[in-house]
Amino acid sequence: IAGITQAPTSQILAAGRRMTLRCTQDMRHNAMYWYRQDLGLGLRLIHYSNTAGTTGKGEVPDGYSVSRANTDDFPLTLASAVPSQTSVYFCASSDGGNSPLHFGNGTRLTVT
Amino acid sequence: GEDVEQSLFLSVREGDSSVINCTYTDSSSTYLYWYKQEPGAGLQLLTYIFSNMDMKQDQRLTVLLNKKDKHLSLRIADTQTGDSAIYFCADPSSASKIIFGSGTRLSIRP
Repeated sequence: IAGITQAPTSQILAAGRRMTLRCTQDMRHNAMYWYRQDLGLGLRLIHYSNTAGTTGKGEVPDGYSVSRANTDDFPLTLASAVPSQTSVYFCASSDGGNSPLHFGNGTRLTVT
Repeated sequence: GEDVEQSLFLSVREGDSSVINCTYTDSSSTYLYWYKQEPGAGLQLLTYIFSNMDMKQDQRLTVLLNKKDKHLSLRIADTQTGDSAIYFCADPSSASKIIFGSGTRLSIRP
């Protein structure tokens, strides 16, 4: 079934540890995105990539990094996790432009 | 800057109509979207409306767009328990900047 796969589903992480959230899509979409969802704040864009080999900063990029080595994969790395990064993280992809986003099922991350 | 606003909660009785409202600031988008998020899942596209339309109807869903007031609404007729979810309004102001509202949590009373 075509779509977006995120891993892990959930994770508890000690503060200061490094963590990579994985995201893979099989729809050959050019654009990919990482959002975090926090109660009362909706979805906030962390980083995005309009095409393989390029990335850009979203609304809340600090403490996060991304890479886009190929079309399918868009990992999100927390170099040194802090409790304020406790959130639900969603990866999404689209054909770009005004096309709708397709979302993964999310990764629930707790930083203690 | 660009912004999309929604109320956080809505409670309706089963069988009644639900109306979820959204206001936005960027009027340059070709489309405006409504997404639905069920518990433990990601967002799924529910419906959309072209910015040159005033209304779109799709089975139990009616989307109304008032461009003058920058107001978007989603009406769900004959609301069922399966409609319980969080509904997000989204304004794709640019390819790299899709602005989501905070989401409206719809709960259904028996």
